[in-house]
Amino acid sequence: DAKTTQPNSMESNEEEPVHLPCNHSTISGTDYIHWYRQLPSQGPEYVIHGLTSNVNNRMASLAIAEDRKSSTLILHRATLRDAAVYYCILRQEATGANNLFFGTGTRLTVIP
Amino acid sequence: DGGITQSPKYLFRKEGQNVTLSCEQNLNHDAMYWYRQDPGQGLRLIYYSQIVNDFQKGDIAEGYSVSREKKESFPLTVTSAQKNPTAFYLCASRRRGRGGSPGANVLTFGAGSRLTVL
Repeated sequence: DAKTTQPNSMESNEEEPVHLPCNHSTISGTDYIHWYRQLPSQGPEYVIHGLTSNVNNRMASLAIAEDRKSSTLILHRATLRDAAVYYCILRQEATGANNLFFGTGTRLTVIP
Repeated sequence: DGGITQSPKYLFRKEGQNVTLSCEQNLNHDAMYWYRQDPGQGLRLIYYSQIVNDFQKGDIAEGYSVSREKKESFPLTVTSAQKNPTAFYLCASRRRGRGGSPGANVLTFGAGSRLTVL
């Protein structure tokens, strides 16, 4: 399974933009890039996903490098409620694999 | 509102006892999953089921068992054979579909069940 690499932790000031990086150098052509986040003592929740083009939704934006070997989750204005662990994972569309590999993610701390 | 309900939220068990964690979804999702999370760690897949009456082992299935008699329900039994069962257990479901369609292949998680073995 293609894996991802994320920094263990990041900090951001409240109401400032946050850029969460993810490296996936072994990504295959049909892998979708998914982002989830997990608030303390809760289950993960879906944030956004994409294949090649940049994506926007009400929660965040996803910027995907042209070679697809990295991506960045962008929170445009961090709030205290955005403090969570953010997971970048790959979904193998071609094989129909059901197992999305959740690593340790990036723990985002938002400073008031 | 549609969603996934896990129960109980907290559970204490004595060593040597089996315990069953409930997972119910009303999202009409085909696939369901059980993950285990230890403190400061990521999620590890225990079992998954793509259709009723069928399920497959994940990465850490030893000491666990599941059933999928109904589409809505995917209970997990933690048996006495599981050597270190204290953990946070997460159930998830997924609507099957192509990766590009909105909402397809996105996991919806329950709130989790925290099991402590005394």
